[in-house]
Amino acid sequence: EDKVVQSPLSLVVHEGDTVTLNCSYEVTNFRSLLWYKQEKKAPTFLFMLTSSGIEKKSGRLSSILDKKELSSILNITATQTGDSAIYLCAVVGGSEKLVFGKGTKLTVNP
Amino acid sequence: DTAVSQTPKYLVTQMGNDKSIKCEQNLGHDTMYWYKQDSKKFLKIMFSYNNKELIINETVPNRFSPKSPDKAHLNLHINSLELGDSAVYFCASSQPLAGYQETQYFGPGTRLLVL
Repeated sequence: EDKVVQSPLSLVVHEGDTVTLNCSYEVTNFRSLLWYKQEKKAPTFLFMLTSSGIEKKSGRLSSILDKKELSSILNITATQTGDSAIYLCAVVGGSEKLVFGKGTKLTVNP
Repeated sequence: DTAVSQTPKYLVTQMGNDKSIKCEQNLGHDTMYWYKQDSKKFLKIMFSYNNKELIINETVPNRFSPKSPDKAHLNLHINSLELGDSAVYFCASSQPLAGYQETQYFGPGTRLLVL
């Protein structure tokens, strides 16, 4: 059965800190890994990583896929209070459906 | 310009009632989904439709029945609501590319509370 494990489950930091969120997966016929940010309601898409695109960057956020280690990290530099959210990792395998991890709850204190 | 919309946003109802949640997407996507997010924030897929055809049906009670009148709409009907049905239900859509699953765009969610 496809599985996604995120760590840590929760994290509290101060504004300006750099954080690294982890995602490891077991999936048959890996196709892609996605990161979402969920604030109060619907998750919003951040990045999609595939075999042909293992590193993505957008502003203070960046993500790397390690296919050998079956994992990905999401980095956020110079964190702001607006980064406080649940960050969800999901993978797509041969079943072609998203399998989500349980998320990492990030709290950025002023 | 709303991409994926759901109605209603909130739904409070009594046990045993029947209710429907509607979803519409204006992205021209072929695939739509229903997810359930429980109180622990864990998202779990329930159904997926591609061009009005059911392609994924997870282990969901028969009381849940999706209906897709056209590829822009995927509605979820729930019969005989139970307390455990209380959750946030998300609709999503995507446009699959050859060989890869495309990004899913989520609706705002419908918070269902069964009393």
